Amino acid sequence: QQQVKQSPQSLIVQKGGISIINCAYENTAFDYFPWYQQFPGKGPALLIAIRPDVSEKKEGRFTISFNKSAKQFSLHIMDSQPGDSATYFCAAGDGTYKYIFGTGTRLKVLA
Amino acid sequence: DTAVSQTPKYLVTQMGNDKSIKCEQNLGHDTMYWYKQDSKKFLKIMFSYNNKELIINETVPNRFSPKSPDKAHLNLHINSLELGDSAVYFCASSQEYIAGGGETQYFGPGTRLLVL
Repeated sequence: QQQVKQSPQSLIVQKGGISIINCAYENTAFDYFPWYQQFPGKGPALLIAIRPDVSEKKEGRFTISFNKSAKQFSLHIMDSQPGDSATYFCAAGDGTYKYIFGTGTRLKVLA
Repeated sequence: DTAVSQTPKYLVTQMGNDKSIKCEQNLGHDTMYWYKQDSKKFLKIMFSYNNKELIINETVPNRFSPKSPDKAHLNLHINSLELGDSAVYFCASSQEYIAGGGETQYFGPGTRLLVL
């Protein structure tokens, strides 16, 4: 019940395309859903986050879509750029100081 | 200017040795964490401290012992290192979680541990 399932494991997208990464959870106590971006050799950094009281949040080219009934959320990267090539992690938190991270998606955007 | 710093960045050591990794944050946060990232990039929390008190202790061998001398520091000591301990260890910090708010965890650059 504590798992967050993330897919796909890897993704290759052409420059200008849309990258979509999906996550699913089971624990209904989760109330905070951040996405982290990690470049090689660096620590993860918060990209965008959403709470379950909204169905969508957009920041620039990055959008989170949230489906509370399906217990799923996804990250959409519009107009993907080579500089977006990184590993993306979804996560879920339930207010106990602990995040459960997804298994990560390695995104490669081709120039 | 570094928000969360870790030392050392790289650590290569022999099996059976004892080693420590240090972490410092200058963000004024109350909560600090240790994560382990394995070769498949899977990120798993190990420990969390809030105001120098241990609040999360996942299923981690007791060879791993965190120590928080003050709110800005969280060190990780590993005894009798094993091959399977090879990984990247990340320190992170955050403000205290407030229900309805959600907090951002700020990660350090990682310590790459290789046990030979």
